[in-house]
Amino acid sequence: ILNVEQSPQSLHVQEGDSTNFTCSFPSSNFYALHWYRWETAKSPEALFVMTLNGDEKKKGRISATLNTKEGYSYLYIKGSQPEDSATYLCAPNGATNKLIFGTGTLLAVQP
Amino acid sequence: ETGVTQTPRHLVMGMTNKKSLKCEQHLGHNAMYWYKQSAKKPLELMFVYSLEERVENNSVPSRFSPECPNSSHLFLHLHTLQPEDSALYLCASSQDRATHYGYTFGSGTRLTVV
Repeated sequence: ILNVEQSPQSLHVQEGDSTNFTCSFPSSNFYALHWYRWETAKSPEALFVMTLNGDEKKKGRISATLNTKEGYSYLYIKGSQPEDSATYLCAPNGATNKLIFGTGTLLAVQP
Repeated sequence: ETGVTQTPRHLVMGMTNKKSLKCEQHLGHNAMYWYKQSAKKPLELMFVYSLEERVENNSVPSRFSPECPNSSHLFLHLHTLQPEDSALYLCASSQDRATHYGYTFGSGTRLTVV
């Protein structure tokens, strides 16, 4: 069973601030790392799937990096907006597509 | 809408009741999953179905009984639940069980056991 840790647990920023948070996972038996964005009362929404060490993915103001050797991924949000407020989940998976989720980082962006 | 539909959205049931949660997807996905989220805990995998066959039962009590009659539908049958089973139950699907496919989630069923 993979042990997935996300930090910080919660984050409050002002509109326009840039922010980042961390996902740590065991580096052995790694196949892919998934990031999801989960707004209250909605479905978790897939942001990125990353597989290669050194991968960097970008979607608008959100980007993510991956270090499989040391077992971590960073998610960055540039110029946070109130609509970015959500819980951001990471989930590594091993040989089968069984995602093990972290507890998430709750981001609140104040206008 | 994500393409994965869960019904009902909310459910209140007594400990002696029998109820079912339904999940439906028409995305052509071959794998479907049930997850549970309790307060302050991460999403917890319950069951995995691939091509309508259960491939994983993650030590879930027998009072939860999944059923996958075809590749588009997944049910979770509930009976004699306990108050601690109150949680958000999420269904998800993926193209197949290959490692690089992300999941498409439904909006969940908020279950309260009284």
